[in-house]
Amino acid sequence: DAKTTQPPSMDCAEGRAANLPCNHSTISGNEYVYWYRQIHSQGPQYIIHGLKNNETNEMASLIITEDRKSSTLILPHATLRDTAVYYCIVRVATGNQFYFGTGTSLTVIP
Amino acid sequence: NAGVTQTPKFQVLKTGQSMTLQCAQDMNHEYMSWYRQDPGMGLRLIHYSVGAGITDQGEVPNGYNVSRSTTEDFPLRLLSAAPSQTSVYFCASSYGQGPRSPLHFGNGTRLTVT
Repeated sequence: DAKTTQPPSMDCAEGRAANLPCNHSTISGNEYVYWYRQIHSQGPQYIIHGLKNNETNEMASLIITEDRKSSTLILPHATLRDTAVYYCIVRVATGNQFYFGTGTSLTVIP
Repeated sequence: NAGVTQTPKFQVLKTGQSMTLQCAQDMNHEYMSWYRQDPGMGLRLIHYSVGAGITDQGEVPNGYNVSRSTTEDFPLRLLSAAPSQTSVYFCASSYGQGPRSPLHFGNGTRLTVT
């Protein structure tokens, strides 16, 4: 399974864009990058996923580098409710297993 | 639409006791899985199922049993609880096995083994 590396914590000012980086240098060509977040002790919440093109939905944007070895999740206008742990995950192509790391704890500051 | 429902929300067991954590989903998802979350460890996969009658082991299967008799339910059994199994347990499901199917998580069961 491909591993991911994320900074353990980040701060972001309320109303500013939050840019969360992730390294996945061993990713295979047919593996997707997923992002989830976990608020307090709730179940993880799906945010977005992509293969090689940049993706955008109502929650966030996902930027994947051309060599696919890293990606960035962008929350365009962070709010206090975005304070959470964010997980970057590489989806195993041959199965359905998701392997979570320890994520990035994002704190949005008023 | 309830999504993924886990019961109970909290449970305290004594060492050696057995119990079953329940998980049900009403989205007709083929794939279901169990994770445990410990402080500083992220989420670790215990067992998963790709359909009724089919189960397989994840990263940390020891001490846990699962079965999948219906599409909707995927219970996790602790046969003889140990303090090392104190954790938060999450059940998750997805529509298919392909990488385009996001996981949907329940809100967890917080288990303490004394």
